[in-house]
Amino acid sequence: KNQVEQSPQSLIILEGKNCTLQCNYTVSPFSNLRWYKQDTGRGPVSLTIMTFSENTKSNGRYTATLDADTKQSSLHITASQLSDSASYICVVIYNTNAGKSTFGDGTTLTVKP
Amino acid sequence: GAVVSQHPSRVICKSGTSVKIECRSLDFQATTMFWYRQFPKQSLMLMATSNEGSKATYEQGVEKDKFLINHASLTLSTLTVTSAHPEDSSFYICSARFGSTDTQYFGPGTRLTVL
Repeated sequence: KNQVEQSPQSLIILEGKNCTLQCNYTVSPFSNLRWYKQDTGRGPVSLTIMTFSENTKSNGRYTATLDADTKQSSLHITASQLSDSASYICVVIYNTNAGKSTFGDGTTLTVKP
Repeated sequence: GAVVSQHPSRVICKSGTSVKIECRSLDFQATTMFWYRQFPKQSLMLMATSNEGSKATYEQGVEKDKFLINHASLTLSTLTVTSAHPEDSSFYICSARFGSTDTQYFGPGTRLTVL
């Protein structure tokens, strides 16, 4: 069964601190992995897209890593800001043509001043 | 990036009524649109996939007669929740993609509250 597990479920950090969110998956066959940021009451917005051959990809203060061998990904946020408070969702695409993907349950990040 | 809009953003209706939610791709032709439902503190759950001009493919457990999906054009898909009940209250999100690419662009979501 295709599964995506994210940890921690929730996280509270102080503004300016760094944090790392984890995503483990058992999805097969693997096409690509995406991290989304979803603000409360809004639709998800893509942060990074990683294919099988990519190990690291950055988007501003967001850096995603992928280890296809261990089927793990992480999203590192540096110098957190209050606006980073959101749910971060890991999504693994396993069937490109059919648009099949498996969503993680997300990590809720709260950045406090 | 590509823009997907949804209308309305919020809707409150009485139990037993039907509600229509629109999803539009504003600057690209969406050959495929997806409809998701998201309950509080949970992730998105795919309800159905629709290709322009074809019948929607529903995920297991989703009642096709209750959640009517129409994808009549390359820029518009609609989800109609028929005879809505309080348990249908949720956040409904659509996404759209072009061709066979696997990039989905999400709409801002519609908050449905059924009294």
